[in-house]
Amino acid sequence: RKEVEQDPGPFNVPEGATVAFNCTYSNSASQSFFWYRQDCRKEPKLLMSVYSSGNEDGRFTAQLNRASQYISLLIRDSKLSDSATYLCVVLGAGYSTLTFGKGTMLLVSP
Amino acid sequence: EAQVTQNPRYLITVTGKKLTVTCSQNMNHEYMSWYRQDPGLGLRQIYYSMNVEVTDKGDVPEGYKVSRKEKRNFPLILESPSPNQTSLYFCASSFWGGSKYEQYFGPGTRLTVT
Repeated sequence: RKEVEQDPGPFNVPEGATVAFNCTYSNSASQSFFWYRQDCRKEPKLLMSVYSSGNEDGRFTAQLNRASQYISLLIRDSKLSDSATYLCVVLGAGYSTLTFGKGTMLLVSP
Repeated sequence: EAQVTQNPRYLITVTGKKLTVTCSQNMNHEYMSWYRQDPGLGLRQIYYSMNVEVTDKGDVPEGYKVSRKEKRNFPLILESPSPNQTSLYFCASSFWGGSKYEQYFGPGTRLTVT
């Protein structure tokens, strides 16, 4: 099982749609979890941290299920500007290494 | 303004010619790291440093060296570059403590080795 695995993309959705990204991780000792956004040929940027209780930031909701080693990101009311690659990221035990998933590309069309 | 700078942004070089990519951060972060990003492989960590004079290998350290003589700088050194090191490189600077986490990436260095 790969360390951090994400849905293969791309996801093509119309504006206004709700889209969900899933991610699984293999190391049960992982400490923290994040979603990053990366625009084409640009650096990744932290979108949000993921907490066990679930957390929301505007149109974005992140969930963590430690028992299933599963992380999700939900985007409601998609905008054209949401088009990007979304990376699932896991911080390992000992807070020493970040492992990135390969990313899922989202394309929002008018 | 929080910032991670990398230089150069673009570099075309030949096999075997030593090069250094510089990375500097202005946030006083202790943790810095280098990644390479390749199509289909995602971001892979090359080296990381948890503080001055403390460095460790990431997932793909072969062919690279780093140093951390001062907190703000973390250069990546390719002693003898080869074509398989053609890639997009990112430096990152991070902090986590309690419930706070922040990480910033540099703008990237696109390296081509011929």
